[in-house]
Amino acid sequence: AQSVSQHNHHVILSEAASLELGCNYSYGGTVNLFWYVQYPGQHLQLLLKYFSGDPLVKGIKGFEAEFIKSKFSFNLRKPSVQWSDTAEYFCAVNADNNDMRFGAGTRLTVKP
Amino acid sequence: GAGVSQSPSNKVTEKGKDVELRCDPISGHTALYWYRQSLGQGLEFLIYFQGNSAPDKSGLPSDRFSAERTGGSVSTLTIQRTQQEDSAVYLCASSPTGGRAPSTQYFGPGTRLTVL
Repeated sequence: AQSVSQHNHHVILSEAASLELGCNYSYGGTVNLFWYVQYPGQHLQLLLKYFSGDPLVKGIKGFEAEFIKSKFSFNLRKPSVQWSDTAEYFCAVNADNNDMRFGAGTRLTVKP
Repeated sequence: GAGVSQSPSNKVTEKGKDVELRCDPISGHTALYWYRQSLGQGLEFLIYFQGNSAPDKSGLPSDRFSAERTGGSVSTLTIQRTQQEDSAVYLCASSPTGGRAPSTQYFGPGTRLTVL
């Protein structure tokens, strides 16, 4: 069965620091990969997704994620975070049209 | 346009009582999903409706959980004889494209259920 691991439960950064949030999944076949973000008091929303093609995916607000098939990873990155990036970030995976599997989430706190 | 709405936003109930949670999807979206987010856990798939087809109930954790979708629009998730472990945020999402894992889902704000 597919599963998703987000290793960092809570990340605290200062503004302008670089961000990388880890996401690993366990499934050997073809996968679709997603990052969702939930800002305080707001709905969960899609940040970016990978289905096929260029493994470096660009999303909204300067985020990007790289699919590394050999490492079963889809880490989220941003070169310079802002206070407004404070949110909870969820990695999600689906394979073979099975239901979406979400990671436990990583809470990001950016200090001004 | 209006997004996915859910009601109530918060629900506190006593163990053993039944609860109903409501979801209004985005108009025209054919697919509707229910997820559960327990404290410190990721979202857990519960059930999926696609148009007028029979729902995919494979994620429902027990027979105390049921859901229906009337007229292909509004959905109600019912939990009978609630238990403390049912305490969680229940999220609804809709999609214009459908499938068990659509390329785009739009989430509602969730209902926070607390079972005392």
